[in-house]
Amino acid sequence: NAGVMQNPRHLVRRRGQEARLRCSPMKGHSHVYWYRQLPEEGLKFMVYLQKENIIDESGMPKERFSAEFPKEGPSILRIQQVVRGDSAAYFCASSTAPGPQYFGPGTRLLVL
Amino acid sequence: AQTVTQSQPEMSVQEAETVTLSCTYDTSESDYYLFWYKQPPSRQMILVIRQEAYKQQNATENRFSVNFQKAAKSFSLKISDSQLGDAAMYFCASRPPRGSQGNLIFGKGTKLSVKP
Repeated sequence: NAGVMQNPRHLVRRRGQEARLRCSPMKGHSHVYWYRQLPEEGLKFMVYLQKENIIDESGMPKERFSAEFPKEGPSILRIQQVVRGDSAAYFCASSTAPGPQYFGPGTRLLVL
Repeated sequence: AQTVTQSQPEMSVQEAETVTLSCTYDTSESDYYLFWYKQPPSRQMILVIRQEAYKQQNATENRFSVNFQKAAKSFSLKISDSQLGDAAMYFCASRPPRGSQGNLIFGKGTKLSVKP
């Protein structure tokens, strides 16, 4: 049973470009969570999605960030017009209902 | 708001010895879940152990066990017979009860070193 998949593992963008991060949950998991980890810090919740629905986006910055989890395909975290402060590791986790969250390997975003 | 505090930024243990990592949390809820995650240098987040707040019995997973003190809101992780592969960042996390799901709230982590 494959774990949570994230791609790309590393992403380099210049200021002002767009970043798209993809997450494929574990088989049988319909709940996806996105977290951000700044250097030397713990993970901070961003958004919680189920298929085609955003359940909780209370941790998501109001501007430039969006997330989706379509009926078919992976969940996407999209960051428009990236700035240097967006440089971080972005982790996706998935779960059943109910169940513990299992994490993907993360995407390291570097904004130049 | 729920908070999770890990007061030990760094800990060190001798191989084969036992070490305890501390975690305290703050919540007004009576039911919730608590977790310990391990993050090795690969940065992968690995679930180590979990505890349901309504269960009085402390969770155990092989060499890993917890000391859950609900009244004190304390949730420490004990690693017995420490191995070199245990060296990692350890994060304590809580999950507030929003139905059966909810986002995890993490502490800032404890960096564990294991000396050969």
